Amino acid sequence: GNSVTQMEGPVTLSEEAFLTINCTYTATGYPSLFWYVQYPGEGLQLLLKATKADDKGSNKGFEATYRKETTSFHLEKGSVQVSDSAVYFCALSEWETSYDKVIFGPGTSLSVIP
Amino acid sequence: DAGVTQSPTHLIKTRGQQVTLRCSPKSGHDTVSWYQQALGQGPQFIFQYYEEEERQRGNFPDRFSGHQFPNYSSELNVNALLLGDSALYLCASSTYREYTFGSGTRLTVV
Repeated sequence: GNSVTQMEGPVTLSEEAFLTINCTYTATGYPSLFWYVQYPGEGLQLLLKATKADDKGSNKGFEATYRKETTSFHLEKGSVQVSDSAVYFCALSEWETSYDKVIFGPGTSLSVIP
Repeated sequence: DAGVTQSPTHLIKTRGQQVTLRCSPKSGHDTVSWYQQALGQGPQFIFQYYEEEERQRGNFPDRFSGHQFPNYSSELNVNALLLGDSALYLCASSTYREYTFGSGTRLTVV
């Protein structure tokens, strides 16, 4: 079945450091890929998405490129801030016949220290 | 435009009791999915409702059931609560791969 694998955390970075969170997926067809963010005590917010190969999703300085050849969707940010401290979930959705659902990775906790 | 609204935000139940969680979808969305997020884990798919019927289901026991109403709102029911049912329950509404998540209901079973 479809699945998502993420690098294990927690990840701790100093403010203004470069961030990479690795994500790889397994899917039988052509999924859409997502990064969601969850701040402490809150629900999920969509951070960015890509719907086809070579698409780049971007938002708030975060970027991720849909790489079909490596089945990857790594999240990057050039300079992290304390306010980026949160849990990040890589996810995919794929149509199965006439419906789809979102499948999540286990999440990567990021802490940014001043 | 309101997004997805879930109620209640928090509740505490005793083992063996039953609980009902509610979700109002985003305007224009006709599909509702429910997820369970245990502490420190990623959300796990419970089931999905479309046109008032359960369209697909994850690996959850029959103690978990749901309903969708004609206005697309939905309920998640859990019977015979176990301590392991303690989690954040997330509702997501969607229409063709556009998903919006609610803030969740934090259920604690004691």
